[in-house]
Amino acid sequence: DTAVSQTPKYLVTQMGNDKSIKCEQNLGHDTMYWYKQDSKKFLKIMFSYNNKELIINETVPNRFSPKSPDKAHLNLHINSLELGDSAVYFCASSQVSGAAVVLTFGAGSRLTVL
Amino acid sequence: AQRVTQPEKLLSVFKGAPVELKCNYSYSGSPELFWYVQYSRQRLQLLLRHISRESIKGFTADLNKGETSFHLKKPFAQEEDSAMYYCALSPSGFSSNDYKLSFGAGTTVTVRA
Repeated sequence: DTAVSQTPKYLVTQMGNDKSIKCEQNLGHDTMYWYKQDSKKFLKIMFSYNNKELIINETVPNRFSPKSPDKAHLNLHINSLELGDSAVYFCASSQVSGAAVVLTFGAGSRLTVL
Repeated sequence: AQRVTQPEKLLSVFKGAPVELKCNYSYSGSPELFWYVQYSRQRLQLLLRHISRESIKGFTADLNKGETSFHLKKPFAQEEDSAMYYCALSPSGFSSNDYKLSFGAGTTVTVRA
């Protein structure tokens, strides 16, 4: 019954490879996000989609490409992986509640680039 | 631009002692403020939001617009409160930027027996 699920949970790969992380939410939310948590635990937004439409695209290398086939799914594809891409990537979804956005997070996908 | 500052990276308290996590923000409009918590090996989850004015797990937080602060407090810390705490800000309104929840750097709280 997981509300926001991400796969894989762990990913270890070599520099230069291409990898994808998938995210699905069953909450019926309209908006989904990708956040990156670095080694210092700093959490930063990368992308946001609202009803399959990109609405937030922070300063992220274009090696990162999000794709939202429908509003329940938001995948993250990363090309030519670099050492600095090692982090925990969190997917989240939200529905506007009153005047504010409340996020529900996935468990995270820990990416290690060797 | 919106910004959230948590000046303390680490906070260690004894069980039963009060704990206060500081959060300051900068935002030109009227923000919504939140505290999120990440327990060990668990996902990040909402702890409380300022508009609810509620106490969750003994924690409270008051929005002080004059000081642009949203400090999190608990009078008697418990060992199960050990976790990473993030203060977060969301603009209130109806533009695409309203979906941009910005987080502080986080504070790791350790409650010792």
